[in-house]
Amino acid sequence: DTAVSQTPKYLVTQMGNDKSIKCEQNLGHDTMYWYKQDSKKFLKIMFSYNNKELIINETVPNRFSPKSPDKAHLNLHINSLELGDSAVYFCASSQLAGGRGEQFFGPGTRLTVL
Amino acid sequence: AQSVTQPDIHITVSEGASLELRCNYSYGATPYLFWYVQSPGQGLQLLLKYFSGDTLVQGIKGFEAEFKRSQSSFNLRKPSVHWSDAAEYFCAVGGGNAGNMLTFGGGTRLMVKP
Repeated sequence: DTAVSQTPKYLVTQMGNDKSIKCEQNLGHDTMYWYKQDSKKFLKIMFSYNNKELIINETVPNRFSPKSPDKAHLNLHINSLELGDSAVYFCASSQLAGGRGEQFFGPGTRLTVL
Repeated sequence: AQSVTQPDIHITVSEGASLELRCNYSYGATPYLFWYVQSPGQGLQLLLKYFSGDTLVQGIKGFEAEFKRSQSSFNLRKPSVHWSDAAEYFCAVGGGNAGNMLTFGGGTRLMVKP
């Protein structure tokens, strides 16, 4: 059973489009995250979310928004896509919030904006 | 603000040789420290973690790491490298309250020569 899954694995789209990436975890964790990994492999936290609190990295443009229909899902919506949004996006989850607990990562979604 | 530095972007070792990957962190209190490994095209997998107690921690796949508070370091070691260890390795620091996120270093790419 996959602990943290993401769909799609690859996403190719045009500038200006709106797209979503889905994430599901079956670990029963309370907190989920979205990370962006750029072409140089640098990992940047975008969002941390549990049923009580959304924490947003202040450097993330407001074109990005997380949506959580329930505790097991945290989807990433991106509006008006730009070339610089091309990256690999990772979803993760943990039992403990913040930087205190082990995070389990999904396989990633490679987004290419043309 | 917390930060993590991995001074070596690339390291090449021969199969069977020992390995040490460096990690230095900056954090205002007792840190929670992690090492993750990322194989090509995959998500991140936790190798080991340090929260408190014994400063030498054992992880999966024969890896270990030593927390040295005086040097603000958490170096990863393995006595004998296998070809399958070739991957990207990330050190991360977290801790504190729930609002404190995990911060990753820039990664070290390990290549293994036959």
